[in-house]
Amino acid sequence: SQQGEEDPQALSIQEGENATMNCSYKTSINNLQWYRQNSGRGLVHLILIRSNEREKHSGRLRVTLDTSKKSSSLLITASRAADTASYFCATGSGGSNYKLTFGKGTLLTVNP
Amino acid sequence: EADIYQTPRYLVIGTGKKITLECSQTMGHDKMYWYQQDPGMELHLIHYSYGVNSTEKGDLSSESTVSRIRTEHFPLTLESARPSHTSQYLCASAPGRASYEQYFGPGTRLTVT
Repeated sequence: SQQGEEDPQALSIQEGENATMNCSYKTSINNLQWYRQNSGRGLVHLILIRSNEREKHSGRLRVTLDTSKKSSSLLITASRAADTASYFCATGSGGSNYKLTFGKGTLLTVNP
Repeated sequence: EADIYQTPRYLVIGTGKKITLECSQTMGHDKMYWYQQDPGMELHLIHYSYGVNSTEKGDLSSESTVSRIRTEHFPLTLESARPSHTSQYLCASAPGRASYEQYFGPGTRLTVT
């Protein structure tokens, strides 16, 4: 079964609005990462949060982690058309910190 | 922009052909990975390497093979391509130690007819 599950599967918003994506996972983790993928391209790392952290910021990105609920959320504030992409969460766990398990992703469309 | 390259970017090939997908990185990373991704779906790890002469199979069974003779090079080979191999193949690398971030190449979109 999938370690990471993003919710919603697709999200469409207007430019300037905030976008929130959620990720749930099943097993204990050491860290959780968010990646962005533009259509037909490779993934780009956005942010990493460790299991002992609850919140992290990077520019317009805010990530939260609730290990008791095994969930994380990614908030993109003041969205832009250029933010249109698929967003994936990925978890590293156990002795395999260097192997990641990816969720199915959320397709975000930001309309100008 | 990550210094990791994949060639070819697109490949259309007939059933039964042998193919090699190239992946190279200039960052000196020890760890390298191959993922398979169908359109709109998650990434599945099919092979990984933690250094020269080290290769392991990933979580998704694959008929492909890999080699790691040089740190910077991690090619993937399919001895006999089939339509079921049609997919996007993504290569990634990571520096290891305290950094778990992976750097991805642009991908190879393979179509087997």
